[in-house]
Amino acid sequence: AQSVAQPEDQVNVAEGNPLTVKCTYSVSGNPYLFWYVQYPNRGLQFLLKYITGDNLVKGSYGFEAEFNKSQTSFHLKKPSALVSDSALYFCAVTREGQGAQKLVFGQGTRLTINP
Amino acid sequence: GAVVSQHPSRVICKSGTSVKIECRSLDFQATTMFWYRQFPKQSLMLMATSNEGSKATYEQGVEKDKFLINHASLTLSTLTVTSAHPEDSSFYICSARARPEAFFGQGTRLTVV
Repeated sequence: AQSVAQPEDQVNVAEGNPLTVKCTYSVSGNPYLFWYVQYPNRGLQFLLKYITGDNLVKGSYGFEAEFNKSQTSFHLKKPSALVSDSALYFCAVTREGQGAQKLVFGQGTRLTINP
Repeated sequence: GAVVSQHPSRVICKSGTSVKIECRSLDFQATTMFWYRQFPKQSLMLMATSNEGSKATYEQGVEKDKFLINHASLTLSTLTVTSAHPEDSSFYICSARARPEAFFGQGTRLTVV
């Protein structure tokens, strides 16, 4: 069975500083990993994914994430935070080959960027 | 990119009535769609997996007679909350997978009064 942990319920960062939102996962086989962002009263928006290839993946709005197989982590990062990055972020995992199967989500991390 | 449209975005209904929420994949076909419920400041709770042309698969603890799911075509799944009560008030979100990633509807805020 797959699982995802986001150890921080809340992350606060000053505008212009780098940000990191942590995610660790557990899955048998090769993982497919995703990050989503949710703004208030909206659905989830896809940010980026890791399927295979380079461990550092780049996504929307300047976000990137690094896949670390040995640490089973997929932390989300951004070099310089914007106030508009404030939102709820979800990490998700599924297993390679599960074409139409559900994603398993972490509990979410609320990111607040302070002006 | 793939677009999932969910309607309505907001609905208020009286206790005891039923509410239907639609989820459409606009530019791709989805044999499988997923329905989630989200409580304030909480993560997504998967309610059920909607399968085109067959019965939905419900997660443990979700009442299938309460939350009726119909997936009659490759682009449309509906969730009907029957005999709604105030405790059913929540944010409901649908999704479908296109390529490896999933795409989400904009969500439906249901308030039962």
